[in-house]
Amino acid sequence: DTGVSQNPRHKITKRGQNVTFRCDPISEHNRLYWYRQTLGQGPEFLTYFQNEAQLEKSRLLSDRFSAERPKGSFSTLEIQRTEQGDSAMYLCASRARVGTQYFGPGTRLTVL
Amino acid sequence: AQSVTQPDIHITVSEGASLELRCNYSYGATPYLFWYVQSPGQGLQLLLKYFSGDTLVQGIKGFEAEFKRSQSSFNLRKPSVHWSDAAEYFCAVGELGNNNDMRFGAGTRLTVKP
Repeated sequence: DTGVSQNPRHKITKRGQNVTFRCDPISEHNRLYWYRQTLGQGPEFLTYFQNEAQLEKSRLLSDRFSAERPKGSFSTLEIQRTEQGDSAMYLCASRARVGTQYFGPGTRLTVL
Repeated sequence: AQSVTQPDIHITVSEGASLELRCNYSYGATPYLFWYVQSPGQGLQLLLKYFSGDTLVQGIKGFEAEFKRSQSSFNLRKPSVHWSDAAEYFCAVGELGNNNDMRFGAGTRLTVKP
């Protein structure tokens, strides 16, 4: 399967712990996006990469959040000192230079 | 700024009945419009998209949508719903050339009665 993959699919953590999620985009896609989706809502944009460069960050992305895409391929999203309000589905999407975003299955985070 | 409104939070239809899910957008430029479907605990799957040309677009799983510029709408339709269509449906709007180019509606949850 050559779609977008995300790991882990589920993460349960205690408040205050750090967590890291990984996204592997479709191989020929140079654009990669992170979204957050809370219950009953559509996805909300968090950040965007073109190759290895992080070009845009939403105001939703507090300083506890950091994302990287060191070689322009996979990306990681780290949340430090997690809070209960961080509980959500974190979605990754990728696309070619022009075209449709294709989404991964998401990582569901539960902060206890 | 662009925005998307899906007026119906939850819709229930009987299997075999027709379906229409509403989507209205607010956008200053020519929009790119999308419909995605999400099953519980899963990511989003693209059903169809409108970039330009014919305003009636066909998608996967028998879905279609019609872009109506005068009404700022992009409603999703299916003539005969199957039980497997039960899911959450999201309308999204984007802009050509804008890297942060997707705004999603809040979604419409579809329940299919046997």
